[in-house]
Amino acid sequence: GGIITQTPKFLIGQEGQKLTLKCQQNFNHDTMYWYRQDSGKGLRLIYYSITENDLQKGDLSEGYDASREKKSSFSLTVTSAQKNEMAVFLCASSISGPTGQLYFGEGSKLTVL
Amino acid sequence: GDSVTQTEGQVALSEEDFLTIHCNYSASGYPTLFWYVQYPGEGPQLLFRASRDKEKGSSRGFEATYDKGTTSFHLRKASVQESDSAVYYCALRVNYGNEKITFGAGTKLTIKP
Repeated sequence: GGIITQTPKFLIGQEGQKLTLKCQQNFNHDTMYWYRQDSGKGLRLIYYSITENDLQKGDLSEGYDASREKKSSFSLTVTSAQKNEMAVFLCASSISGPTGQLYFGEGSKLTVL
Repeated sequence: GDSVTQTEGQVALSEEDFLTIHCNYSASGYPTLFWYVQYPGEGPQLLFRASRDKEKGSSRGFEATYDKGTTSFHLRKASVQESDSAVYYCALRVNYGNEKITFGAGTKLTIKP
């Protein structure tokens, strides 16, 4: 089996700060995803990547940048943290194709003071 | 675009009650449908999936049948247990060439002992 590792698990930032979340997977999956989880709004796709150096915008990409420099890693940057923002960011990976399931990390919780 | 609608935001039941969580979808292609479960402090994990009309997915006593006619994939369990308390997400994934995965808003299930 494999594992998705997200770092850091908790991230506290200041308003206007640039904050970066990292994700590593050892499944050797081609496709990786970043989702944002807010209570009552489900999982909203921020960015995904179908291969190394590829980036695709999701429904919530404004205010975020992403980077996929290696097949095994996918990072997400909050370009300017919003005051009182609080959310959980979930990284996932999958094989390509319509039946592939997502494997998720445990999440990174962001709090902006 | 593709969308998933979960009718119930929260469900509260007693042990041994019957559970139904409704999931309806709208998709441009012929999607694969998924149910994921998320326990506190963890990322979502796959419960089961279905790829064809009338196919039934099942796991841990939960089941759902893919119905193309009513565009539905409702989650059911005959007798819930306290350990089933979690958040449940319905999701869809469409054809090759589009790796985007769309989730519903989630349903928080609470089982009273």
